[in-house]
Amino acid sequence: GDSVTQMEGPVTLSEEAFLTINCTYTATGYPSLFWYVQYPGEGLQLLLKATKADDKGSNKGFEATYRKETTSFHLEKGSVQVSDSAVYFCALSDADGGATNKLIFGTGTLLAVQP
Amino acid sequence: GAGVSQTPSNKVTEKGKYVELRCDPISGHTALYWYRQSLGQGPEFLIYFQGTGAADDSGLPNDRFFAVRPEGSVSTLKIQRTERGDSAVYLCASSLKPTYRVGPGNEQFFGPGTRLTVL
Repeated sequence: GDSVTQMEGPVTLSEEAFLTINCTYTATGYPSLFWYVQYPGEGLQLLLKATKADDKGSNKGFEATYRKETTSFHLEKGSVQVSDSAVYFCALSDADGGATNKLIFGTGTLLAVQP
Repeated sequence: GAGVSQTPSNKVTEKGKYVELRCDPISGHTALYWYRQSLGQGPEFLIYFQGTGAADDSGLPNDRFFAVRPEGSVSTLKIQRTERGDSAVYLCASSLKPTYRVGPGNEQFFGPGTRLTVL
């Protein structure tokens, strides 16, 4: 079945450091890919998405490019801030496979940014 | 407008008891999803409603779990004979329209979750 694998955390960085969180996927169809973020004490929020190969999703300085050849969707940010500390989830939706549009999530990566 | 709301925010129960968890989606959203998030894991799909009907319940772990959405808005997740392994955060999400293809209006908005603890 479809699955998502993301790097384990926690990832600890100093403010203004470069961030990469790796995410790879397995899917039978042509999935759409997402990054969700969960800030402390808050619910899941969509951070960015990409719906087809070579698309780049971006939001709040974060970027991720849909790479079909490597089945990857790595999250990057050039300069992290303390306020970026959160848990980040990579997810896919196999929209071609049926009508459900359900999301399949990775296990999450905790990012801690220190001042 | 209000986002997705879930009640209660916390529920503590004893093994073997029955619990109901409520989800109030964003007004006008026709699609509603339930997910379960165990400690240290990502959310796992349970069930999807399109309107009043359960279009996909393939994620429900067993027949102790059941969900309804009688009027196509509020949904209730029901768990019978709770077990300690049912302890998790139960998340609800809604989206504006049904679709087989992700696009505008298909984003899933998540509620804050109900933390269920079975003693």
